[in-house]
Amino acid sequence: DVKVTQSSRYLVKRTGEKVFLECVQDMDHENMFWYRQDPGLGLRLIYFSYDVKMKEKGDIPEGYSVSREKKERFSLILESASTNQTSMYLCASSFVSGQANTQYFGPGTRLTVL
Amino acid sequence: QKEVEQNSGPLSVPEGAIASLNCTYSDRGSQSFFWYRQYSGKSPELIMFIYSNGDKEDGRFTAQLNKASQYVSLLIRDSQPSDSATYLCAFDRGSTLGRLYFGRGTQLTVWP
Repeated sequence: DVKVTQSSRYLVKRTGEKVFLECVQDMDHENMFWYRQDPGLGLRLIYFSYDVKMKEKGDIPEGYSVSREKKERFSLILESASTNQTSMYLCASSFVSGQANTQYFGPGTRLTVL
Repeated sequence: QKEVEQNSGPLSVPEGAIASLNCTYSDRGSQSFFWYRQYSGKSPELIMFIYSNGDKEDGRFTAQLNKASQYVSLLIRDSQPSDSATYLCAFDRGSTLGRLYFGRGTQLTVWP
């Protein structure tokens, strides 16, 4: 079974803090993704990575950065957390398939910025 | 126009009924289509995907794809209260980068 893990289920931080969210997958997937999910807005893609050290901006990259130093690990960084970054953060990974690029999600991190 | 539109719901059906969830997409280059289920407070989990026109069945779930009409649907037969969740549709463009484009979801409630 594919397993995607995230470092924390719940996180509370203060405005201005630097925040690291970690995601690890154990299936040797090439692609990894970070989303945030807010009520009424659905899943919004922040950044994704298709290989080690390679990254692409998603739809809402402002205020975020990412790091992928190893294939299995993809980190999301909030350089200076703000209250509007309070959200559910979801990591996903996928492999390239001739049929479909199925994404598998981690359990999510609910981040609250005070 | 949003890339993926889902019937906004919420949808409410009695136990044992057929629930029908619909999704339209704007990109004719779309290759594969996915249905995910998300329980409240949990992450999305894959139900099934489809990439050929027609029907694909998996247990009580049937996905239907019509590329000419840019329409994909999910039918849930013999709906159970445990099917109560938000259902997300998504598509990819066949890129090796693996990006999916998600709809905002339809909330389904199955009442006993």
